[in-house]
Amino acid sequence: SQTIHQWPATLVQPVGSPLSLECTVEGTSNPNLYWYRQAAGRGLQLLFYSVGIGQISSEVPQNLSASRPQDRQFILSSKKLLLSDSGFYLCAWRDRRNSPLHFGNGTRLTVT
Amino acid sequence: RKEVEQDPGPFNVPEGATVAFNCTYSNSASQSFFWYRQDCRKEPKLLMSVYSSGNEDGRFTAQLNRASQYISLLIRDSKLSDSATYLCVAKGGGADGLTFGKGTHLIIQP
Repeated sequence: SQTIHQWPATLVQPVGSPLSLECTVEGTSNPNLYWYRQAAGRGLQLLFYSVGIGQISSEVPQNLSASRPQDRQFILSSKKLLLSDSGFYLCAWRDRRNSPLHFGNGTRLTVT
Repeated sequence: RKEVEQDPGPFNVPEGATVAFNCTYSNSASQSFFWYRQDCRKEPKLLMSVYSSGNEDGRFTAQLNRASQYISLLIRDSKLSDSATYLCVAKGGGADGLTFGKGTHLIIQP
């Protein structure tokens, strides 16, 4: 069966520091991969999605970036965090058919 | 802009009651729909897919009304553990075709 791993679970970082969140999927190949952010009390905001290695689509211009160095690995990065980057970051995958998203456990990021 | 709209609630419902809430979508080309459940400070988890013919899974029933462009979720014999936020998703608009509603907050009271 397919599983998705996301880490770390929680993170406290100072303003201006870099960020790297990692997500891997097991048990499937060539999945669509997604990064979402959910601010406190708000809906899910799509940040990036990828349909293949090296293919990244950005939905919201900001100081975050994403990379997909391997088929089942998706990385979210920032060179300098802002206070407004605080939130709950969720990685998700789905296969290329008309299927629902499956989310990782999420990373709760607090920028101080 | 393609939107999925939900009543944010909260819906306060006594245990054992039946509760229903709707989700409207603006993109008439949407083809697939899903309901997710999200507990506080947790990731959304797929509750059920919504098919044209409707879908039932135990105490949960999801229905699609294409003419009026809404989907519904019905929960029968509600349990305390049903307390959560319920997210509606439509495929067919937005980036990569997936658009999330902001969720409906449900509180089941003893």
